[in-house]
Amino acid sequence: AQTVTQSQPEMSVQEAETVTLSCTYDTSESDYYLFWYKQPPSRQMILVIRQEAYKQQNATENRFSVNFQKAAKSFSLKISDSQLGDAAMYFCAYRSATSGSRLTFGEGTQLTVNP
Amino acid sequence: SQTIHQWPATLVQPVGSPLSLECTVEGTSNPNLYWYRQAAGRGLQLLFYSVGIGQISSEVPQNLSASRPQDRQFILSSKKLLLSDSGFYLCAWSRVRLGVNSPLHFGNGTRLTVT
Repeated sequence: AQTVTQSQPEMSVQEAETVTLSCTYDTSESDYYLFWYKQPPSRQMILVIRQEAYKQQNATENRFSVNFQKAAKSFSLKISDSQLGDAAMYFCAYRSATSGSRLTFGEGTQLTVNP
Repeated sequence: SQTIHQWPATLVQPVGSPLSLECTVEGTSNPNLYWYRQAAGRGLQLLFYSVGIGQISSEVPQNLSASRPQDRQFILSSKKLLLSDSGFYLCAWSRVRLGVNSPLHFGNGTRLTVT
């Protein structure tokens, strides 16, 4: 079974600075998808960014980018120019491309943005 | 566009009482549907998922059950609630096709407190 590990329960960053959230996963599959979700205090789950394992190019969405290292099974999220609204719980998630449709989540990283 | 509705938003129920949480999706057909539970400050645990009407897969043996009486309706139930059933319940949907990088789209969640 696939597992997703987020080793940083909490992180903090100064407004306008850059922060990187770590995520590693364990799988024997070669084709899969990875996601970062954001959960603000409202507790709504919001998709931040997604990556296909077959793509070597790292995904980017405005101030959010990933560092996908397939061999190391690492999928970190970089937030540039951090804003107060970025404060939230961030979850890394894994989905197989071939064997089922469910998403496996990490335990989350609580990000605090300091003004 | 697709929307997902989940209700109620909050619920307080005594131990031993029944439970029914409902989720509906609009704007798409034959979606995959999911129920997740989130304990306070923790990651998401997949409870049930469904790939079609009447087709339910259970991930964790427990006091809960799920049903899909219509294509875009997913119901989470219990005959007798336990204190350990307290938590935040999230419904989600995704497109069906494997091999397509379809993320999960979440409802706003239900905060259940069993007293």
